[in-house]
Amino acid sequence: EAQVTQNPRYLITVTGKKLTVTCSQNMNHEYMSWYRQDPGLGLRQIYYSMNVEVTDKGDVPEGYKVSRKEKRNFPLILESPSPNQTSLYFCASSSDPFGSGGEYGYTFGSGTRLTVV
Amino acid sequence: AQSVTQPDIHITVSEGASLELRCNYSYGATPYLFWYVQSPGQGLQLLLKYFSGDTLVQGIKGFEAEFKRSQSSFNLRKPSVHWSDAAEYFCVFKSGANNLFFGTGTRLTVIP
Repeated sequence: EAQVTQNPRYLITVTGKKLTVTCSQNMNHEYMSWYRQDPGLGLRQIYYSMNVEVTDKGDVPEGYKVSRKEKRNFPLILESPSPNQTSLYFCASSSDPFGSGGEYGYTFGSGTRLTVV
Repeated sequence: AQSVTQPDIHITVSEGASLELRCNYSYGATPYLFWYVQSPGQGLQLLLKYFSGDTLVQGIKGFEAEFKRSQSSFNLRKPSVHWSDAAEYFCVFKSGANNLFFGTGTRLTVIP
C-alpha cells in the first residue's frame, strides 16, 4: 500500500530533550515536506526537500532541523524542544514538486501529536 | 501576498441537506487548488484538485468544486451530506514555488 508513515503517533517529552520524528514513504517520491498544525492556523510548512541532500526552509523553520540522506526518509529533528513546539505534525510527499503535485496530489502521513512540557 | 481564506470556521448542516464550503485565494496567476478532508484523529485525504481545464471538478465521496477565476474562489459542494462527512475541510493552493498554502479549515458538523 502506498503510504507515508510517521512515528511515533504520540509523544510527550520535556523541554530541552532532543527528539526525532521519523517519516518514511514507499512511493519513490522526490518531494517531502513537514507541516505543523495548530488550531486556527491551518497547516504551516516547516521544511521541505526536493530530493536527496536538498532541503529548504518553509514558513516556520525555527527550532527544527531535517535531513534527507535517503529518498524514502525525511526525519524531523527538534534539538531542544520548547513548549511552543507542542503541536500536531504532518509529513507529506509528492511525485511532482514543481507542478501539479502529481496524479494523487500530496500524500500525508497520519500525524504525530507532540506535547512538550 | 499569497494566501487562501476559508471564511467559515464552523458549519452545521442537517443530514441530507446540501453543503457549500467557501474558499478564496489571493495569487497573481492561476494556482493549483486542492480540497483535503481530515477526519478526527486522522491524516489528510485528498478530495479533489484543479489544475486547468474544466472549472467544475469532481472528487471522491460525491464532492465537487468549482473554480471561478473572476471571484478567486474554489468552493466545495455536495448535494446531500451524510453523517460520515463530519470532519474538517482544508482548501489548499500551490503557487509556482514549492509550497502549499493551507486555509485555516472549516469544521463540518452533521446533525441527524
